[in-house]
Amino acid sequence: QSVLTQPPSASGTPGQRVTISCSGSSSNIGSNYVYWYQQLPGTAPKLLIYRNNQRPSGVPDRFSGSKSGTSASLAISGLRSEDEADYYCAAWDDSLSAHVVFGGGTKLTVL
Amino acid sequence: QVQLQESGPGLVKPSETLSLTCTVSGGSISSYYWSWIRQPAGKGLEWIGRIYTSGSTNYNPSLKSRVTMSVDTSKNQFSLKLSSVTAADTAVYYCARGYYDFWSGYYFDYWGQGTLVTVSS
Repeated sequence: QSVLTQPPSASGTPGQRVTISCSGSSSNIGSNYVYWYQQLPGTAPKLLIYRNNQRPSGVPDRFSGSKSGTSASLAISGLRSEDEADYYCAAWDDSLSAHVVFGGGTKLTVL
Repeated sequence: QVQLQESGPGLVKPSETLSLTCTVSGGSISSYYWSWIRQPAGKGLEWIGRIYTSGSTNYNPSLKSRVTMSVDTSKNQFSLKLSSVTAADTAVYYCARGYYDFWSGYYFDYWGQGTLVTVSS
């Protein structure tokens, strides 16, 4: 059971816009930045979004992040076949001793 | 380009200690946080903990009693020890560099390819 809650799956057709939600609490998303990672099949995760809505260099502007209260979301517009991957949200959690928590991951299928 | 490479036994017996090392190349290990993250087959990511090059550590509270991390700056390596392992510790173990600044926060910008560790007799 992950601390951050994500839908296990999402899907869309090429060109569509899809969103993936991430729900947490006041001790994590509510008081800290949210990060998103993309994990292509058989590879290590890669940073997609940092500080809630910032893209590292090289990440297409089709990917965008947002945060409101204790929830966050990742939006992918102009969906492409190469976007098929697992997506994880992450944040610091200030409960007990500070530590990083991840969402359970969302498998995105491009139909 | 910074590269990370995990190494260690791929098979560990139950109740024994899992030991992994991550070697950093293409950059200095100094002045960064270094983390271990694991992923059981078909499941999500779990942060195990991190170590700064000064030796200070933060561990996941759920694993804290069994985890020890260390760093060897002379070899550009850091290590993980997880004691009293069970089948539930079977996973792909990743090492990752943690980048921090006040504006950006803390995130993992470089990852190793991951190494599968199986706990079985």
